[in-house]
Amino acid sequence: QQQVKQSPQSLIVQKGGISIINCAYENTAFDYFPWYQQFPGKGPALLIAIRPDVSEKKEGRFTISFNKSAKQFSLHIMDSQPGDSATYFCAARDTGRRALTFGSGTRLQVQP
Amino acid sequence: SAVISQKPSRDICQRGTSLTIQCQVDSQVTMMFWYRQQPGQSLTLIATANQGSEATYESGFVIDKFPISRPNLTFSTLTVSNMSPEDSSIYLCSVEDPLRAGAAFFGQGTRLTVV
Repeated sequence: QQQVKQSPQSLIVQKGGISIINCAYENTAFDYFPWYQQFPGKGPALLIAIRPDVSEKKEGRFTISFNKSAKQFSLHIMDSQPGDSATYFCAARDTGRRALTFGSGTRLQVQP
Repeated sequence: SAVISQKPSRDICQRGTSLTIQCQVDSQVTMMFWYRQQPGQSLTLIATANQGSEATYESGFVIDKFPISRPNLTFSTLTVSNMSPEDSSIYLCSVEDPLRAGAAFFGQGTRLTVV
């Protein structure tokens, strides 16, 4: 099964708060786990990514936590800002096919 | 990161017609991917296009409906044939950055409305 399950579907966070989005997968052939940010009318933009041999990766206010045994990974946005309001997609890349399978997306709204 | 240009950025087409979407990359890449994003939905892979070989289509997508060309390492086209309103979507071209293994980048997409 190629699915990547993402939750929550939508999220409202106050400015300065922490936004947390979770994803789970089943396919053990996935070898790369990126997160994308998409604003209305734009293509998805690569935000941060992690490989399964690493448990955590941090870039600025964005952190990915990865639990290989549980087949779960999550995105944490620290000090959330109104400019972070967008739709976020987790994804997973198949080693052989090299194409991405996307989660269903999370619409984040950061209130000022 | 690789820079990807898609044309057209949007179009409104009549039912039964076809539209060809172009994707140009500023560097040579082995694999190019075409995705569809239906309104308010996630991205679904249509096909993978390698230069010099026929595209590989995902389940639910067929070559007669979505023919793809890949004439060289920087260019690809996707045609949406015999369109119906159900084809109204954003179509996105994607490539894997040759300098950052695994990092995939997307064009700005083509927003297609079929009336």
